[in-house]
Amino acid sequence: AQSVAQPEDQVNVAEGNPLTVKCTYSVSGNPYLFWYVQYPNRGLQFLLKYITGDNLVKGSYGFEAEFNKSQTSFHLKKPSALVSDSALYFCAVRDFGQGGKLIFGQGTELSVKP
Amino acid sequence: DADVTQTPRNRITKTGKRIMLECSQTKGHDRMYWYRQDPGLGLRLIYYSFDVKDINKGEISDGYSVSRQAQAKFSLSLESAIPNQTALYFCATSDIHQGGLETQYFGPGTRLLVL
Repeated sequence: AQSVAQPEDQVNVAEGNPLTVKCTYSVSGNPYLFWYVQYPNRGLQFLLKYITGDNLVKGSYGFEAEFNKSQTSFHLKKPSALVSDSALYFCAVRDFGQGGKLIFGQGTELSVKP
Repeated sequence: DADVTQTPRNRITKTGKRIMLECSQTKGHDRMYWYRQDPGLGLRLIYYSFDVKDINKGEISDGYSVSRQAQAKFSLSLESAIPNQTALYFCATSDIHQGGLETQYFGPGTRLLVL
């Protein structure tokens, strides 16, 4: 069965420092991976996705993610964090076996302090 | 995403009551989904629909039903609400044009409290 794991419930970063939000996956076949962000009282917003090709995927708001097949990871990164990046981040993998649903990790709360 | 709307945004109800959550989209997408979000569990799929005549159960469909009234509308019903259905509910849509690799777009969510 497809699954994703986000090993950190919370990540704390100082503004201006680089940030990493971790995600590992377990799939049979090729993984199709996504990152979404949820701001307080808002729905999920799509950040980026990996399907194939370049292992470094660039997305919205200056975020990028690095796909590493050998480590089965898809970590979200940003070179310089902003206070406004504080939100809940979800990694997800596409499950082709059930209508193309997304299987989500449990989420990681990112807190960026000034 | 403003193209996917959900009503109501917040709802408090009592155990045993029937309630309906509504989702509308102007993106012209064929596929629609209902998820629920619980703290520490991420989002889990309740039902999904590929078109008006195609509705399928997700991983946690017990206690829920859905109706796809039109391409743009997908409603979720709780026939007899119970407290463990207290959650944040999201509707999502996606297109089919990317060979199955399409992005899902989410509504703002409905926060439901069952007393």
